[in-house]
Amino acid sequence: AQKITQTQPGMFVQEKEAVTLDCTYDTSDQSYGLFWYKQPSSGEMIFLIYQGSYDEQNATEGRYSLNFQKARKSANLVISASQLGDSAMYFCAMRENPSQGGSEKLVFGKGTKLTVNP
Amino acid sequence: NAGVTQTPKFRILKIGQSMTLQCAQDMNHNYMYWYRQDPGMGLKLIYYSVGAGITDKGEVPNGYNVSRSTTEDFPLRLELAAPSQTSVYFCASRDYGRSEQYFGPGTRLTVT
Repeated sequence: AQKITQTQPGMFVQEKEAVTLDCTYDTSDQSYGLFWYKQPSSGEMIFLIYQGSYDEQNATEGRYSLNFQKARKSANLVISASQLGDSAMYFCAMRENPSQGGSEKLVFGKGTKLTVNP
Repeated sequence: NAGVTQTPKFRILKIGQSMTLQCAQDMNHNYMYWYRQDPGMGLKLIYYSVGAGITDKGEVPNGYNVSRSTTEDFPLRLELAAPSQTSVYFCASRDYGRSEQYFGPGTRLTVT
């Protein structure tokens, strides 16, 4: 079974508008971490935002926020005020049992390609 | 800080050849990782290290070897290259007590 599911292969948004990229995850652990990474066409992986499973508040980093709904097992990325430079692939990832020194493995989804139109 | 650096950026290998992908970080991070990214897919973990002298297998370790003799360096060795190893390889590092991994620019490897 897939651990991370990103159901949107591609998304389009107008510049200056907000966009939500979906991510659902599957785990039986109580302790886990959720990440979003951005991969521009140049290929590097850029860390955007992190949410721990015990964090009560949704994580925010500048224009990025993570809409964490634990009961639904979803961790959607919200980008506000989209910019042309936001056009990229976006990957959701999960690490299980981080607080117990457990798995070092980051499991990645297949990604969503975001295109920001002027 | 240069962060995580990888060499080479591109390489073409013939089937059966061997090579070492280099990775170095100057952030004094304990944890280092090697991932591969196949076209249209997310990353998969090959090997990782929690400190100098300690390495462990990830999800897809077959056909690869690693060593970690220093905190800074974490080379990935491909023995007997196969077309299935055509991929983009990323090295990453993480600081103890932090969750996020920081990635190098990647090495694009083609095996023909």
